[in-house]
Amino acid sequence: DGGITQSPKYLFRKEGQNVTLSCEQNLNHDAMYWYRQDPGQGLRLIYYSQIVNDFQKGDIAEGYSVSREKKESFPLTVTSAQKNPTAFYLCASSTLAGTGEQYFGPGTRLTVT
Amino acid sequence: AQRVTQPEKLLSVFKGAPVELKCNYSYSGSPELFWYVQYSRQRLQLLLRHISRESIKGFTADLNKGETSFHLKKPFAQEEDSAMYYCALPAGGTSYGKLTFGQGTILTVHP
Repeated sequence: DGGITQSPKYLFRKEGQNVTLSCEQNLNHDAMYWYRQDPGQGLRLIYYSQIVNDFQKGDIAEGYSVSREKKESFPLTVTSAQKNPTAFYLCASSTLAGTGEQYFGPGTRLTVT
Repeated sequence: AQRVTQPEKLLSVFKGAPVELKCNYSYSGSPELFWYVQYSRQRLQLLLRHISRESIKGFTADLNKGETSFHLKKPFAQEEDSAMYYCALPAGGTSYGKLTFGQGTILTVHP
């Protein structure tokens, strides 16, 4: 089962700790995205990257950081500065042409207590 | 700023009944629009795109520029249609790039 993978599925952290969520894709897609899914708020874009070593803030980037050192990988760090980090995080990837369809990973549920 | 609104958080219908999930957007021009679906315990996936004008799993969606709407319709709902549905608008209204999602509608189809 190729495509886009996220790990771990569930993550628990204490308040004040940074935590990194993994996202890997073997689809040879140029673009990768991180979304946060909260009940009643839909999906909100945190960060996205269209090329290696470059990324842009989305709508809710505060308290998050990313890196794109390899085309296949786009890890997201949830820092202690994020005020409400408990959420379901989705990673996606897409080409930058053609249909524009985004392919989503299975998600990581982060719980911070 | 781009915006996508799905006014119904929850929608319940009986099997065989018609269903319409509403989506309104704010964007000037001719946008590309998508419907994504998330079935229970499955990944979020593309259901259909405006530009392809396909009918997927019996669902269709028509872009109404006058009303800035892209409602998703199916004449006869099935139990397997129960899922979370998201309407999405790409940046700049083009086919690709970052997406602005609506709040989502949970559709429940009762037997």
